[in-house]
Amino acid sequence: QVLLVESGGGVVQPGRSLRLSCAASGFTFSNYAMYWVRQAPGKGLEWVAVISDDERSEYYADAVKGRFTISRDNSKNTLYLQMNSLRAEDTAVYYCARGLTVISSRGYFDYWGQGTLVTVSS
Amino acid sequence: QSVLTQPPSLSGAPGQRVTISCTGSSSNIGAGYDVHWYQLLPGTAPKLLIYGNSNRPSGVPDRFSGSKSGTSASLAITGLQAEDEADYYCQSYDNSLNVVLFGGGTKLTVL
Repeated sequence: QVLLVESGGGVVQPGRSLRLSCAASGFTFSNYAMYWVRQAPGKGLEWVAVISDDERSEYYADAVKGRFTISRDNSKNTLYLQMNSLRAEDTAVYYCARGLTVISSRGYFDYWGQGTLVTVSS
Repeated sequence: QSVLTQPPSLSGAPGQRVTISCTGSSSNIGAGYDVHWYQLLPGTAPKLLIYGNSNRPSGVPDRFSGSKSGTSASLAITGLQAEDEADYYCQSYDNSLNVVLFGGGTKLTVL
């Protein structure tokens, strides 16, 4: 079965960096666009970033552009999110999610991980 | 304030029917972009309930149904059960913001 397992969350000071990982199994990882979505405490879901199946395209929400970098290693079936210059408002549960085989405006997320909590606090 | 507007909360008794609305605009739902629905239970991975406005993934009970009209979409749950108590989110795309959008979420309470 499809499984997505996030790791790497924790408590970090403002301005510092953190890298999240998402290990995928149960499907051909290299065939799908992959996403990061976050949920701040008491708030709704927010799309963060997407990367194409072949790593050639990536897009970011304005709130993280220039600070976060999404990447993937198809040989390791793993998705990453490098988060730099973290701010208090980045505090959230971060989910990885599987999209369609291409990045599309019609896209949706058919499988999600359970999330990893990132807390930015001094 | 979310671009896709959902009621913050709803409640219903077991066995009843509830409908969760998702109201957008001409740059998202009204532009023809599909609406998808997710169920979030505490401590578990979010679950896709409806994709492409009205399609149910395998394994989702037919008590859940989706529809879309104009600039709005709805998720209906019939035969409400205690296990349906969760947060529900709609999702679409906005061509003026060029982003994937989520609604603000609706907390469903089963009385």
